[in-house]
Amino acid sequence: EVHLVESGGGLVQPGGSLRLSCEASGFTFGSHWMHWVRQAPGKGLVWVSSINPEGTYSGHADSVRGRFIISRDNAKSTLHLQMNSLRADDMAVYYCTRDGGNWDHDHWGQGTLVTVSS
Amino acid sequence: QSALTQPPSASGSPGQSVTISCTGTSSDIGAYNFVSWYQQHPGKAPKLMIYEVSKRPSGVPNRFSGSKSGNTASLTVSGLQAEDEADYYCASSAGNSWVFGGGTNLAVL
Repeated sequence: EVHLVESGGGLVQPGGSLRLSCEASGFTFGSHWMHWVRQAPGKGLVWVSSINPEGTYSGHADSVRGRFIISRDNAKSTLHLQMNSLRADDMAVYYCTRDGGNWDHDHWGQGTLVTVSS
Repeated sequence: QSALTQPPSASGSPGQSVTISCTGTSSDIGAYNFVSWYQQHPGKAPKLMIYEVSKRPSGVPNRFSGSKSGNTASLTVSGLQAEDEADYYCASSAGNSWVFGGGTNLAVL
């Protein structure tokens, strides 16, 4: 069974940094694109970042490009999101998702909450 | 990377059918057959309901169906049941990025 478990969320001041992690199990991690999707309180889903199976290509939404970096450690089946220069509008639940091979998000973690506040 | 356009709400009575639209552009929905739909109950993570426009993952009832015409995709829920009450989001590949819709709250009256 596929499991995705996010960690690393919490309270951070504006301008601060956080590193999110997503531990994957139940599938061959190094064979799948992986994504981060976020959801601000009471709002909709927003794509944040994606990375290819080898970790050699990544893409980021315009709103986070230059501040967030997605990476992966296939040996440890772990996905990361380094978030720098955090702003109030980055406050959200961040979900780790697996691409099922059909340019979709077929499995989701439970999410980790990032709160940006002074 | 503008969000896809969905109606904020939809509703139907048990047993009825409801269709939710999702409008994009020629750069996302119109360009790729990689439209997917997600169901989200309050406080829960989203769940994949439809992928590649009209395919259902294992375990998703055949009451859920998807289609696409031009720059607009649609999700139809037939034979509405109380447990179908949730938020629904469409999503599309847009080349080097992904874009989601703003979400539709489906109420089963």
